[in-house]
Amino acid sequence: AQSVTQLDSQVPVFEEAPVELRCNYSSSVSVYLFWYVQYPNQGLQLLLKYLSGSTLVKGINGFEAEFNKSQTSFHLRKPSVHISDTAEYFCAVSDLDNTDKLIFGTGTRLQVFP
Amino acid sequence: GAVVSQHPSRVICKSGTSVKIECRSLDFQATTMFWYRQFPKQSLMLMATSNEGSKATYEQGVEKDKFLINHASLTLSTLTVTSAHPEDSSFYICSLGDSNQPQHFGDGTRLSIL
Repeated sequence: AQSVTQLDSQVPVFEEAPVELRCNYSSSVSVYLFWYVQYPNQGLQLLLKYLSGSTLVKGINGFEAEFNKSQTSFHLRKPSVHISDTAEYFCAVSDLDNTDKLIFGTGTRLQVFP
Repeated sequence: GAVVSQHPSRVICKSGTSVKIECRSLDFQATTMFWYRQFPKQSLMLMATSNEGSKATYEQGVEKDKFLINHASLTLSTLTVTSAHPEDSSFYICSLGDSNQPQHFGDGTRLSIL
């Protein structure tokens, strides 16, 4: 079985500062990895995904993430955040044999201050 | 544009009422849709997998008689919360997959039972 850990429940940051949201996973098999963003009272929007290939994945809104197999991590980064990036961010995994089922982390609330 | 349409966005009703939530695929035929539940400040938990033309697959601990799922066509899945009680109040989100990846989420339904 897979599990996802997002250690930081909240990350406060000032506008235009860089940010990193941490995600670690546990799995006995190879996985696909995802980051989703959720704005208040809305569903989830896919930011980026890692399926295979280059370990550095670029997504929408200037976000990127790096898959590190040895550290079982998939941290999300952005070099300069905006007020509009304030939202909840979820890391998720699915295994290659059961790609339909996503396991989500508990989420990280990114709060960007002016 | 939107791939998934979920309706209604918000429901407030009395205890004992049954509530139906619709999830429509706008762009492609979805043989499989997924229903999630999200408690405040928590992550998404998969409730069930909705399969077109057959019975839904429920996750452990989810009452199938309480949460009725119907997936009668390739573009529509419905979740009915039967005889809802205050503890059923939550944010319900559907999703559907593309190329075997559940990537497209509806905007969710905020259910409040008084």
